[in-house]
Amino acid sequence: NAGVTQTPKFRVLKTGQSMTLLCAQDMNHEYMYWYRQDPGMGLRLIHYSVGEGTTAKGEVPDGYNVSRLKKQNFLLGLESAAPSQTSVYFCASSPDEGGWTTEQYFGPGTRLTVT
Amino acid sequence: KNQVEQSPQSLIILEGKNCTLQCNYTVSPFSNLRWYKQDTGRGPVSLTIMTFSENTKSNGRYTATLDADTKQSSLHITASQLSDSASYICVVSSRRTGGFKTIFGAGTRLFVKA
Repeated sequence: NAGVTQTPKFRVLKTGQSMTLLCAQDMNHEYMYWYRQDPGMGLRLIHYSVGEGTTAKGEVPDGYNVSRLKKQNFLLGLESAAPSQTSVYFCASSPDEGGWTTEQYFGPGTRLTVT
Repeated sequence: KNQVEQSPQSLIILEGKNCTLQCNYTVSPFSNLRWYKQDTGRGPVSLTIMTFSENTKSNGRYTATLDADTKQSSLHITASQLSDSASYICVVSSRRTGGFKTIFGAGTRLFVKA
């Protein structure tokens, strides 16, 4: 099993450009998450999904959109990139919300720079 | 305000030595606490998960402790190896109406030197 994979690994955008980050998992997990990680801060939840066709806002959703058309894929979109969105983006999945004893499985990350 | 504070921010130790990382939280109500290891340029990987009733849990050379009364956790690394050089992240989950909230600490950066 590949686990959680993310595409692309690196990307540089100009302010105002758009892009989509792709996350794929082969563990048949229901829950998927998008986080951003900034220096000196903990990971912050952007959006999450509790199953195919569902999405919900996390802690820092502004400027991002998501879609979960297939159970194994979770897409994160930036419609008009801003320098404040320069960050490392991590996708994760879990069998359920992970509120009790399950863990989240993370992808390798996408490093995005917006100039 | 729900917070997870980790200390120290960074730590340098010699290979073979032990070390202890601290995590203090104010998250309430408490659901579970996890420690993750994050190698440079990679995603976090789970080390331990502890619920309210557990006060110690081991995973090889890693031992986590939890004191739910004082809201403190520690991660003890025994006989450190060069491969232990990484960031260690404490994560606390809280059950709320409508679901769970998960708060990540900023991490402790550990450097193990030969």
